[in-house]
Amino acid sequence: AQKITQTQPGMFVQEKEAVTLDCTYDTSDPSYGLFWYKQPSSGEMIFLIYQGSYDQQNATEGRYSLNFQKARKSANLVISASQLGDSAMYFCAMRGLQGAQKLVFGQGTRLTINP
Amino acid sequence: EAGVTQSPTHLIKTRGQQATLRCSPISGHTSVYWYQQALGLGLQFLLWYDEGEERNRGNFPPRFSGRQFPNYSSELNVNALELEDSALYLCASDDPTAYNEQFFGPGTRLTVL
Repeated sequence: AQKITQTQPGMFVQEKEAVTLDCTYDTSDPSYGLFWYKQPSSGEMIFLIYQGSYDQQNATEGRYSLNFQKARKSANLVISASQLGDSAMYFCAMRGLQGAQKLVFGQGTRLTINP
Repeated sequence: EAGVTQSPTHLIKTRGQQATLRCSPISGHTSVYWYQQALGLGLQFLLWYDEGEERNRGNFPPRFSGRQFPNYSSELNVNALELEDSALYLCASDDPTAYNEQFFGPGTRLTVL
């Protein structure tokens, strides 16, 4: 079985600061993918970044980077130079790359950016 | 390129009624996934359809069912509605051979009174 744990229910950060959102995972799949999604108040899930379990380099997408530590089973999201529009719920998710294709989500972290 | 679409945006039903939610995937995607997000909680996997077949289902009772049509659009049916079925229902699609992200629709907010 797969499990995602996000231990920060809420985070408050000043605009322009960097922020790290924590995510740990557990799986018995030999290969898997890790994802971060942003969910604004409108409800739609917006894909941010992806990390494959065999990728040697940490993924980056603009202001987003994923700090992947396989031995620790962690996949933290780092947002650099935060903006007011970054205020939203953030979900870490994973899926095995064999068999069932479903995404397993964590409980989410509510990020609030203060001006 | 059009994204995943869902209808209706909002749906209000009473206990015991049936609800039907619809989803159209991104063109070229054959897989459709349904997730339930109860208020303040994470997403729970409901159902996965690919090529017209149900491939996997989450830990939900049989009154949650669905189907996928030849054009890969999908319907989620919830029978004998209960108050706790009130939630945001999100549909996602992907290419199951690509191992990349799932693309989500805007969701249907179901309220059961």
